[in-house]
Amino acid sequence: EDKVVQSPLSLVVHEGDTVTLNCSYEVTNFRSLLWYKQEKKAPTFLFMLTSSGIEKKSGRLSSILDKKELFSILNITATQTGDSAIYLCAVEIPGSARQLTFGSGTQLTVLP
Amino acid sequence: GAVVSQHPSRVICKSGTSVKIECRSLDFQATTMFWYRQFPKQSLMLMATSNEGSKATYEQGVEKDKFLINHASLTLSTLTVTSAHPEDSSFYICSARMGYYSPYGYTFGSGTRLTVV
Repeated sequence: EDKVVQSPLSLVVHEGDTVTLNCSYEVTNFRSLLWYKQEKKAPTFLFMLTSSGIEKKSGRLSSILDKKELFSILNITATQTGDSAIYLCAVEIPGSARQLTFGSGTQLTVLP
Repeated sequence: GAVVSQHPSRVICKSGTSVKIECRSLDFQATTMFWYRQFPKQSLMLMATSNEGSKATYEQGVEKDKFLINHASLTLSTLTVTSAHPEDSSFYICSARMGYYSPYGYTFGSGTRLTVV
């Protein structure tokens, strides 16, 4: 059975801290790994990773994939209260439907 | 960028009634749409995959007769919760992939919060 595991499940930090969120996966087939940020409503896209070792950056956020060890990390530097959200990791399974399997999410709370 | 419009955003209905949720892809054609359910503080659970012009594929444990999915056109998929009960109260989200090779992954609708009283 395909599995995506995120850790920690929740994290509370203060503004300015740096956080690292983890995502490991065990899937029969792999095409890509995606990170999303979910606040009150629908998830918003952060990154799609397909190749090992290539860091993707967007402002204070960055992410990297290790296909040998089957995990990815999402880093957020100089956190702000607006970073408070659930961060979801999902793995895309190739096939005709190409659906996503989601991890449980990490609830990040950034205190002022 | 591509947008998936979902409505209603919030609905309260009486037990035993049916509720229809619509998802439309704007500016792109979505041959496949995914329907998820999310309980508070939990992740998204895939309910079914909706394919234009054919029957939806349901995940194990999801009742086809209760959650009716119709994908009649390349831009519209609907989920109807039939004979809703309080345990069906949840957050329902649809999603479509923005093209096979898109680097942006999947686009999500804004979600529908269903409360059955």
